Amino acid sequence: LAKTTQPISMDSYEGQEVNITCSHNNIATNDYITWYQQFPSQGPRFIIQGYKTKVTNEVASLFIPADRKSSTLSLPRVSLSDTAVYYCLVGPMDSSYKLIFGSGTRLLVRP
Amino acid sequence: DSGVTQTPKHLITATGQRVTLRCSPRSGDLSVYWYQQSLDQGLQFLIQYYNGEERAKGNILERFSAQQFPDLHSELNLSSLELGDSALYFCASSGQVNTEAFFGQGTRLTVV
Repeated sequence: LAKTTQPISMDSYEGQEVNITCSHNNIATNDYITWYQQFPSQGPRFIIQGYKTKVTNEVASLFIPADRKSSTLSLPRVSLSDTAVYYCLVGPMDSSYKLIFGSGTRLLVRP
Repeated sequence: DSGVTQTPKHLITATGQRVTLRCSPRSGDLSVYWYQQSLDQGLQFLIQYYNGEERAKGNILERFSAQQFPDLHSELNLSSLELGDSALYFCASSGQVNTEAFFGQGTRLTVV
């Protein structure tokens, strides 16, 4: 299981772009990078998943450099409702995948 | 609505008692995961089942046990409850080839 390292917390203001970087130096060839969002007292929610380069959906973008040893979740124009904990997970896309969460990054969006 | 159903939503019980938490995964999902989250703590992975078989075990106490039934629903049994077992317990499910896991709303267990 690839170890991931994320900042413990980040602060931002409404309307700004937020970039959260996750380090995963020992990522395996068949590992994918997945990000989840969790609000207080709720279960995590899938945000985005990627293998290499860039993935974009209606919520976020995921940037993965060529060496794949890190990844950056980009949230465009955050709002107060984006205040949450964001988790980076790394693992293969098969039934052996262990859905284990680290400490995550606590994002606080201020008015 | 994630499609994952957990019951009950809330549970209050006394120390020393035993409770059973239930999880119905999304239709067709073969993997079920259980987590414990204490107040302001991270998600602690407890156990994972895949198509009825235990696939991975995390920091699950011996007082806790789980199983996944042929209809794929899962139960988490917590016995000899202690005050420290008070937490939110989440269940998640994912398909055979995992692209996304879906979480239930959780069961809030309070041990008094």
